[in-house]
Amino acid sequence: EAGVTQFPSHSVIEKGQTVTLRCDPISGHDNLYWYRRVMGKEIKFLLHFVKESKQDESGMPNNRFLAERTGGTYSTLKVQPAELEDSGVYFCASSQVVSARNSPLHFGNGTRLTVT
Amino acid sequence: DAKTTQPNSMESNEEEPVHLPCNHSTISGTDYIHWYRQLPSQGPEYVIHGLTSNVNNRMASLAIAEDRKSSTLILHRATLRDAAVYYCILRDRPRAGGTSYGKLTFGQGTILTVHP
Repeated sequence: EAGVTQFPSHSVIEKGQTVTLRCDPISGHDNLYWYRRVMGKEIKFLLHFVKESKQDESGMPNNRFLAERTGGTYSTLKVQPAELEDSGVYFCASSQVVSARNSPLHFGNGTRLTVT
Repeated sequence: DAKTTQPNSMESNEEEPVHLPCNHSTISGTDYIHWYRQLPSQGPEYVIHGLTSNVNNRMASLAIAEDRKSSTLILHRATLRDAAVYYCILRDRPRAGGTSYGKLTFGQGTILTVHP
């Protein structure tokens, strides 16, 4: 089966511009998560979708970040306007069953975002 | 999520076993112990998880102390491909109406270096 795919793999934008990251989860996975690692710090949770609904968005840093998952398939994460501190690697992950106690997360290889 | 403590780094020789320790003295009765690893330039990858009993899979073994306050990830024969950052994570069971379900809290992890 195809894994979690993220696009683009790299993005370099200027401060103030807009960037949209895309994540395609494993087919049939209801749960979709966004994480990020900035400036060599720990990987941090951003938000969690169950199908098209936001289950937990407690990790979203501010209102410059907007995540969507229309139709419960792929998801996008938009940063508008981008700031220097948004530079980092953004990971998407998916898991299978909503009620499964410990369904493991499958991660994509991330999008490396550089804001100059 | 309860906190885990891991050594910052460990080294091993190829073809030798590796024992990666993790302390989680504040673990609750419903916390599962998960291990993920992150290879260079990739997203985190699920390795193994357990609750009370030792667990084995094709990648590794997980030995859990009787009091569950510590655990050890065992790679039986390290290969160069096993060089990665290994994360020990406590993951609570889902709760009805709760928002923490599915979220993984990453620490610094242990950087494993494997020498040829």
